Amino acid sequence: AQSVTQLGSHVSVSEGALVLLRCNYSSSVPPYLFWYVQYPNQGLQLLLKYTSAATLVKGINGFEAEFKKSETSFHLTKPSAHMSDAAEYFCAVSRMDSSYKLIFGSGTRLLVRP
Amino acid sequence: ETGVTQTPRHLVMGMTNKKSLKCEQHLGHNAMYWYKQSAKKPLELMFVYSLEERVENNSVPSRFSPECPNSSHLFLHLHTLQPEDSALYLCASSPLDSNEQFFGPGTRLTVL
Repeated sequence: AQSVTQLGSHVSVSEGALVLLRCNYSSSVPPYLFWYVQYPNQGLQLLLKYTSAATLVKGINGFEAEFKKSETSFHLTKPSAHMSDAAEYFCAVSRMDSSYKLIFGSGTRLLVRP
Repeated sequence: ETGVTQTPRHLVMGMTNKKSLKCEQHLGHNAMYWYKQSAKKPLELMFVYSLEERVENNSVPSRFSPECPNSSHLFLHLHTLQPEDSALYLCASSPLDSNEQFFGPGTRLTVL
């Protein structure tokens, strides 16, 4: 079975500070991993995805994530937070042998202080 | 219209009402999904349609009834709902050969 754990339901950073959102996964087979962002009153938008190519994945809006198999982690980072980054972020995992099933974490709300 | 659209965006209904949620995708995808997003809970996959056939039904109560008349449209028919069914209902679509899903803006449902 697969699962995703996002540590911290809320993360607060100052504008310009490093953003680090944590995601750990559990999977018995090689996974695909995703980060999605949800702005208020909107659906989920894909930030980036890992599909077994490069372990460091660059996404939109300056975000990146590193796949670490030994730590079963896929943490999301951004060097400098902007006010516009305030949103809810979801990590998700799927099996490489499954074409459609995504398992989502419970989400982390990012607050950016001026 | 581009991407995935959902109507209505907001819906308030009584427990005895019958209503339907509509999703339309303009991306040429062949798989469509319904998710339920409740406060403080992970997204729950409800139904998956692939090439207009239902391939996943995650123990969803029968008061929720999906319909996929073609690859561009997905409906969720609602009847005799309970207050705990109040949530954001998200539709998504994807190509058949990819698990990258594209989401609509959701319908905020309130059951009184």
